[in-house]
Amino acid sequence: SQKIEQNSEALNIQEGKTATLTCNYTNYSPAYLQWYRQDPGRGPVFLLLIRENEKEKRKERLKVTFDTTLKQSLFHITASQPADSATYLCALEYPGNTPLVFGKGTRLSVIA
Amino acid sequence: GAVVSQHPSRVICKSGTSVKIECRSLDFQATTMFWYRQFPKKSLMLMATSNEGSKATYEQGVEKDKFLINHASLTLSTLTVTSAHPEDSSFYICSARDSATSGNREQFFGPGTRLTVL
Repeated sequence: SQKIEQNSEALNIQEGKTATLTCNYTNYSPAYLQWYRQDPGRGPVFLLLIRENEKEKRKERLKVTFDTTLKQSLFHITASQPADSATYLCALEYPGNTPLVFGKGTRLSVIA
Repeated sequence: GAVVSQHPSRVICKSGTSVKIECRSLDFQATTMFWYRQFPKKSLMLMATSNEGSKATYEQGVEKDKFLINHASLTLSTLTVTSAHPEDSSFYICSARDSATSGNREQFFGPGTRLTVL
């Protein structure tokens, strides 16, 4: 079965630095790869989506890359701020109106 | 963006009782809604896919007679945990996609319902 690994359970970073989170998957590549933010006791909030034929996507301070050869996506937050502290979830979607499959998430702490 | 609401946000009940959780898409229609369960420090686990006007599709290992799902309209899906037990205590989250925009793959999530069974 498909496995999704976000290889850091927790990541601490200094304010102003770039945070880089990793998402790896096994087996076949998804049609879409999405990143969500989840705060404690809340539902996830959509951040970015990248398609399997795209290499990179940007939105303000966020950047996502997608390498189907490595079966990996990287999620970057530049000029990180304490308000960026949250759990970030990687999610894969396969063709058809199928539900997302989530990784366990990486808990990011940005220290002032 | 689109908004999904859940009610209640928090519920505490005695073992053996049933609890109903509502999920509503507030400003869009959702042919399909998804129900997830999340234990502390764990990933979201899909429980079932709820389709308007038809039976829900349950994931392997999820008891359909225990977790009753009803998707009676394009804006409302309900999850009823029947005869709840302490091991059912968890964070239940629903999500939906906007049926009107097939190219938009974003899922909108509700704020979640914290269920505690005593």
